[in-house]
This record gives sequence, structure tokens and C-alpha cells, in this order.
Amino acid sequence: EADIYQTPRYLVIGTGKKITLECSQTMGHDKMYWYQQDPGMELHLIHYSYGVNSTEKGDLSSESTVSRIRTEHFPLTLESARPSHTSQYLCASSGDSPKSSYNEQFFGPGTRLTVL
Amino acid sequence: QKEVEQNSGPLSVPEGAIASLNCTYSDRGSQSFFWYRQYSGKSPELIMFIYSNGDKEDGRFTAQLNKASQYVSLLIRDSQPSDSATYLCAAGGSRTGGFKTIFGAGTRLFVKA
Repeated sequence: EADIYQTPRYLVIGTGKKITLECSQTMGHDKMYWYQQDPGMELHLIHYSYGVNSTEKGDLSSESTVSRIRTEHFPLTLESARPSHTSQYLCASSGDSPKSSYNEQFFGPGTRLTVL
Repeated sequence: QKEVEQNSGPLSVPEGAIASLNCTYSDRGSQSFFWYRQYSGKSPELIMFIYSNGDKEDGRFTAQLNKASQYVSLLIRDSQPSDSATYLCAAGGSRTGGFKTIFGAGTRLFVKA
């Protein structure tokens, strides 16, 4: 049973399109994160949120934006996709819950984005 | 210097052997430490977390923490080909670090049948 969901799992789009990658979690976690990861490479934190109406930029400069209007939902938006945005995008959440107590992060299955 | 450093590998061990994965961290204020396993094309999966000095065992996995040396390790006993993956070390819970979790770049492990 998945506790953190990402849609779509795969997306191929043309340059200039606006896209939103969805992430939802059912664990009641207050903290949520977006990472970018190229194949065989390390994770790069691009955005994070410590709660509703709280968003921060991560360590990797990104042209994407995020919002946190509801605790369980943390969508990521690219206003104008470019080939350089082609990558794997991973959403994660953490926080006190019956399943976790030391802020370990749980990852969603990821969205593989290809921009032509 | 990266905040969490790991040898990128690949580390190659024969089936049945002990695989030893190492990690160092720079923020002395880090409180909690994690090991994730990531198969190729998949998302990271939490294997273990540790927050006290010493050893913590879970099945074939043992995590070791030495805060004085700022060193974390993961031992995998009786390694299996299915253990072949990239292992990510992470450190978090530091006030000066904004309580963020910092991931290392990962060590690739190959277990030869």
C-alpha cells in the first residue's frame, strides 16, 4: 500500500509547455521535499516545505515553483519546460507519524520527465 | 568538502561475504543518520536509521555510528546478488543545518554470484 504518490510516472512533452508534477502523501507528514536526480547521479534538493504555506528553495537552482496549500499535497510546476529539465523528479515526506519518529524521509516512485 | 561523503565505488564483493559501506559527515550537530538503498531506476528506500553511538542491527544489516569521529557505516552480512544497488548515507537533525537531511552521493555495491 503506497503512502506517497506521484503522478504522472512518465511524461514526454515538447519545449515551452507548462507542466505540473503531482505529489501526495497520506502519512500526515508536515515536511515534504522535491529532489532532482539524473541516472546514476546524486540527489539534488530543489524545494522543500515544513508545513502549509511554507516553501523554500533547495540547494540546486531550479526554474520550477512549488506550493503547499494542503498538508498532504505538494505539487511542482515548470512554467516553460526545456530539454535541460529532462530528469527524474522524486518527492519525499517526513515527520512524526505512527510509521516514523526520527524524520526519516519516505520517497515516492518518481516522475521521469523528458522534454523534447 | 561535501557535507556527507561516501566512496562512490563500485564496491564489489562475492556472494556470502560481508559488505562494508562507509560515510563521514561534517556537521557535528547532526542528530540522526540514515541508510537508503536505491536500485537502478527506482526511488530510494529506507533501510535503517541510527541516532546513538554504537551498533544497531536489523536482520543482515548493521549500522554503526561514531559521533566523535563523525563516521557512519553499514555492514551487510551474507551479501546476496539482490543487494546490488546504490546505498545512500544521510545525516539530519542539525539546528545549524535547519534540520534538513543531507544525502551523500551514494556507494554502488555489486555482489557477484
